[in-house]
Amino acid sequence: AQSVTQPDIHITVSEGASLELRCNYSYGATPYLFWYVQSPGQGLQLLLKYFSGDTLVQGIKGFEAEFKRSQSSFNLRKPSVHWSDAAEYFCAVGADQAGTALIFGKGTTLSVSS
Amino acid sequence: SQTIHQWPATLVQPVGSPLSLECTVEGTSNPNLYWYRQAAGRGLQLLFYSVGIGQISSEVPQNLSASRPQDRQFILSSKKLLLSDSGFYLCAWSRDLAYEQYFGPGTRLTVT
Repeated sequence: AQSVTQPDIHITVSEGASLELRCNYSYGATPYLFWYVQSPGQGLQLLLKYFSGDTLVQGIKGFEAEFKRSQSSFNLRKPSVHWSDAAEYFCAVGADQAGTALIFGKGTTLSVSS
Repeated sequence: SQTIHQWPATLVQPVGSPLSLECTVEGTSNPNLYWYRQAAGRGLQLLFYSVGIGQISSEVPQNLSASRPQDRQFILSSKKLLLSDSGFYLCAWSRDLAYEQYFGPGTRLTVT
């Protein structure tokens, strides 16, 4: 069965600084990988996804993520953080033909300081 | 395009009262449907998912039940609410269990 870990519960970044949120997964084959963002009191919004091919994936709102098979990681990055990026971020892993729903990490809360 | 609706948006219910939350999806057919709960300070907890009408998989045994009476309708119910049922309830849909899920706006439930 697949699993996903987000090692950082809470991260604070200065506005304009770069951001990297960590995500590690466990699965025997190539997984499907996703990043979501959730603003307070709202549903989750899909930022980007990886299925196959180019390991650097571009998403919405200026985010990107890189799939590194050797490290079992799918870290989310943004070169310059805006105050509106403050939110909770979830990584998720899916496994084709496993017959199970996506597994979500516990989330990382991002705070942006001015 | 596809749209997912949840109602009500907020709900305050006394302990022991029944519950019915509804989720509907527009613009797609045969979706997989999901119910999640977020308790304060915790992550997403998958409660139920459904791959078709009348097919419900329960992930966590508890005070809640789910039903799918129509292809694009998913209902979360309880006969008697507990204080611990308070939380933010999210409905989602996907084309396949392994694919990305699309979430509704959520229902904030407070049990008093």
